[in-house]
Amino acid sequence: GENVGLHLPTLSVQEGDNSIINCAYSNSASDYFIWYKQESGKGPQFIIDIRSNMDKRQGQRVTVLLNKTVKHLSLQIAATQPGDSAVYFCAENTAGNNRKLIWGLGTSLAVNP
Amino acid sequence: ETGVTQTPRHLVMGMTNKKSLKCEQHLGHNAMYWYKQSAKKPLELMFVYNFKEQTENNSVPSRFSPECPNSSHLFLHLHTLQPEDSALYLCASSQGHGGAETQYFGPGTRLLVL
Repeated sequence: GENVGLHLPTLSVQEGDNSIINCAYSNSASDYFIWYKQESGKGPQFIIDIRSNMDKRQGQRVTVLLNKTVKHLSLQIAATQPGDSAVYFCAENTAGNNRKLIWGLGTSLAVNP
Repeated sequence: ETGVTQTPRHLVMGMTNKKSLKCEQHLGHNAMYWYKQSAKKPLELMFVYNFKEQTENNSVPSRFSPECPNSSHLFLHLHTLQPEDSALYLCASSQGHGGAETQYFGPGTRLLVL
């Protein structure tokens, strides 16, 4: 399953399928990007990050892809499990003297057994 | 367990009450943050402390008053809040502030203002 842009804040996938969560970031000068997962009743939890000098980074069952040309970031989750059900946030870290994290709205991922 | 704890986890208060939220980090970090999380809105950064000094205040109303007595503890003092202040208040910490830092979050305090 895949969501497109910020117009579909909810993504529903079958257990075992791959999930793709997309994020469009705003600042072409941003040089660091992070994905967070927030489960119900918990704070956001770091999943994976990527710096702007890379276009792909892999973790355990997760892959982040960065396309600086179109300012697009995606999180791929392989073999999605019920425990992956959560809201996923992307955040960009702006470069320069006044660095700050800019957060996306979040995408809710629901995994159907 | 992220190493960042927050108390209380839930809080209901009237508009005339005074209450405080507490955050403690056990990660040896130097920067701490307060965020407000409301439904259908991006996380809103409220305050940043770096080495106990406030470095950012993002136009937060004065009814929210932060306090950072040391690098491990952060408070948010609340007084005469409004119902629209009801939200999840998240504390986070990072090794430093100003670079490409990963922030680690506590579980949040769910605040309801009546």
